[in-house]
Amino acid sequence: AQSVTQLDSQVPVFEEAPVELRCNYSSSVSVYLFWYVQYPNQGLQLLLKYLSGSTLVKGINGFEAEFNKSQTSFHLRKPSVHISDTAEYFCAVSEDSNYQLIWGAGTKLIIKP
Amino acid sequence: NAGVTQTPKFQVLKTGQSMTLQCAQDMNHEYMSWYRQDPGMGLRLIHYSVGAGITDQGEVPNGYNVSRSTTEDFPLRLLSAAPSQTSVYFCASGLGGELFFGEGSRLTVL
Repeated sequence: AQSVTQLDSQVPVFEEAPVELRCNYSSSVSVYLFWYVQYPNQGLQLLLKYLSGSTLVKGINGFEAEFNKSQTSFHLRKPSVHISDTAEYFCAVSEDSNYQLIWGAGTKLIIKP
Repeated sequence: NAGVTQTPKFQVLKTGQSMTLQCAQDMNHEYMSWYRQDPGMGLRLIHYSVGAGITDQGEVPNGYNVSRSTTEDFPLRLLSAAPSQTSVYFCASGLGGELFFGEGSRLTVL
């Protein structure tokens, strides 16, 4: 069955340092990949998505992610984080054209001043 | 620009009580869904709908009912609340994989 693994439940990082949040998925077919962000006490919002084309995808707030088919990964990166990036980040995968999403468990990004 | 509106934001129920969580969207999306979010478990799909009159079960449908009489509204009914249904519930509507979420409804069942 399709699954999504976010390897880190929490990632602490100093302000202005780079960060990578890891996401791996299991699927033998073409997939669509998404990262969502959830700020404290809010709903989720789309950060970026990969549907086809370039494997490097840029999103909002300076985030980007790279689709690696051979490693079945879609890691999220930001070169310099800010305190406002404190949030939980969710990776999600879909195999079908209805975009039914399978979700990872989430990674909490903790920014240290 | 309302987007997805959920009510109520907070609710406390006693075991065995029933209630309805309301969800409305103003983006004319055919796809709507309900998730529950529990610590360390990410989001789990309860029910979803791909259009008025069409609903289907997700990963954790037991104890919940839905209906979709209009494009705009997708209420979630708890038939007989249990403590295991204590959670934060999110309604989402979407198009092409991009989901738009409400702010959530925090439900506590005593």
